[in-house]
Amino acid sequence: GQNIDQPTEMTATEGAIVQINCTYQTSGFNGLFWYQQHAGEAPTFLSYNVLDGLEEKGRFSSFLSRSKGYSYLLLKELQMKDSASYLCAVRDRDYKLSFGAGTTVTVRA
Amino acid sequence: IAGITQAPTSQILAAGRRMTLRCTQDMRHNAMYWYRQDLGLGLRLIHYSNTAGTTGKGEVPDGYSVSRANTDDFPLTLASAVPSQTSVYFCASSEKNTGELFFGEGSRLTVL
Repeated sequence: GQNIDQPTEMTATEGAIVQINCTYQTSGFNGLFWYQQHAGEAPTFLSYNVLDGLEEKGRFSSFLSRSKGYSYLLLKELQMKDSASYLCAVRDRDYKLSFGAGTTVTVRA
Repeated sequence: IAGITQAPTSQILAAGRRMTLRCTQDMRHNAMYWYRQDLGLGLRLIHYSNTAGTTGKGEVPDGYSVSRANTDDFPLTLASAVPSQTSVYFCASSEKNTGELFFGEGSRLTVL
């Protein structure tokens, strides 16, 4: 099974940087995903890590350390539209995704 | 391109009634999933299907059943709804090898 932990809430100022940490324990690791979910909407894919290291995609970066069971999502140059819930998800060897409870990020002017 | 379509968008249901949530995808993805999302608990997997003709149980399967007669459709049935099944239900699909999930817009179900 999976045990995925991430902070419940974070607040940051427009233009700043925020780092959302995710730790996991899994019986069979096969990739880590980050999703963004705005209130009342469906989750949308942000990033995917299967090997250790940093994946960068525009203002968003995601890091993975498999030995530590740790990932983070880095949001740079925060914009008001980045206010959303960010979901960490771990894929197992059966290709099922298990999600953390999500981190609600509030961006303030 | 529609992607994933769920129906109904919202439904209020009396306890004890049978309900089927429909899910159709037009991306020819092998794998499909049903999740429920509850405040503070995040997305929890109910049932999944890695390919047409096969299904599997997720984290919270009790009270739910699914079928996968073809690639495109993956209905979720509540045989006898209970108030604890009040939730937002998301259907999702993926290409098995990539794993990126594409979600439907969700079905909000209230059981009274």
